[in-house]
Formats: sequence, structure tokens, C-alpha cells
Amino acid sequence: AQKVTQAQTEISVVEKEDVTLDCVYETRDTTYYLFWYKQPPSGELVFLIRRNSFDEQNEISGRYSWNFQKSTSSFNFTITASQVVDSAVYFCALSEDRDDKIIFGKGTRLHILP
Amino acid sequence: KAGVTQTPRYLIKTRGQQVTLSCSPISGHRSVSWYQQTPGQGLQFLFEYFSETQRNKGNFPGRFSGRQFSNSRSEMNVSTLELGDSALYLCASSSAQGLNTEAFFGQGTRLTVV
Repeated sequence: AQKVTQAQTEISVVEKEDVTLDCVYETRDTTYYLFWYKQPPSGELVFLIRRNSFDEQNEISGRYSWNFQKSTSSFNFTITASQVVDSAVYFCALSEDRDDKIIFGKGTRLHILP
Repeated sequence: KAGVTQTPRYLIKTRGQQVTLSCSPISGHRSVSWYQQTPGQGLQFLFEYFSETQRNKGNFPGRFSGRQFSNSRSEMNVSTLELGDSALYLCASSSAQGLNTEAFFGQGTRLTVV
């Protein structure tokens, strides 16, 4: 069965610190997709990244980077030199190719303190 | 390019009533999916429509239904409202069918059932 675990419910860091949000997933499918979304106070989810199960290359986009490790079923997200505008709830999600459903983790609420 | 528009933004209904929520996707997008977000259950997938057909359904009772029109606009209906239906309802649009693709979310409709 699909499962996404974001063990960190809430994190607070001081601005300019680096922070890593953890995501561990479970799936029996060999083809699947992982996502990260950001939900600012306005409510809409903002797409950050999509990664398929065959692409284990880490990705960097500006201050954001993602570490995908199939061996540990993890897809962690790091924000470098955090800024107050990064404060939001971040969701990790999994979609299996076979089932075409999507399941979200419970989210991690990130507070960046000035 | 306009984003995903959900109306109304806020709604208060009484137990037993029914409610209809509306979602206008990004122009050109033919896939619309709906999600329910509550503090207890988190983000849960409701259903997906593509080209006026329901392609995918989450694990919700039959009181939750939807439809999509020829212009890709979608409506979601909840009948016989229960207190537990109080939630933020999010709509997302994608250019392709399926939940494996990048989705663009609206700001949601916050439904309160009293």
C-alpha cells in the first residue's frame, strides 16, 4: 500500500540557516512519482518538483535541492540560506503508475524566524 | 495567464444541506482534480475529471460527486452535509490526464458546516 511519512510536524529555524524536510515513502510499484508542494498561508498548493522512480539524480533549483534515495525510500528537500518567505507548510506526495492515485504526507510546517 | 479559480472562497452551510463548489482550470487544461484538506486527515484525493469523464476516484462516500463541463470547468457537489465535511476543498488543473503530472492548484473553498 502507498504511504508517505513526513515525520517532522513543525520546524523552526532562524533566517539564513539551512533546513532539510524529510519524506519517507512506501510503495510496491516499480514506477511511481514523487512530488513536493508548498502551501503558503493563502492556501493554494504550489508545485515545486516532480521526480519519477527511474531518475535518482539529485536536483538543485536555486536555494532548493532534493535528495532522492531509493535504497532508503526517501525524497528529502533542503532549503539553503532560508528566508522568511519560505515559511509555509510543505507536502511530499506519491503517485503510483499502476494505481494512478495520489497520496500526500501530513505536511511539515516550516517557520523561518527573522 | 489566469490561474485556477475556485468559487466561492468561503461558505457556511447547515448540516443536511447540500453544496456545490466550482473550479475553473487554467485555460487549455483538460484535467481537473479535487482534494479535501482537514486538520485530522490531511490532504485527500477526491476525484479527477478529464474531458468531461470521471477518470479516478478516491475513497469518499457517494455524497461526494462532481462533473466537468465541455469548457473543462468542474463542479463538486456534497449532499446531506455532515459536520465532518468542514474542510478546505482544493481544485487542481493539469494539461494531461492522470495524477502523475504537475498540477496547478486554486486557493480553495473553505466550507464550514454548522
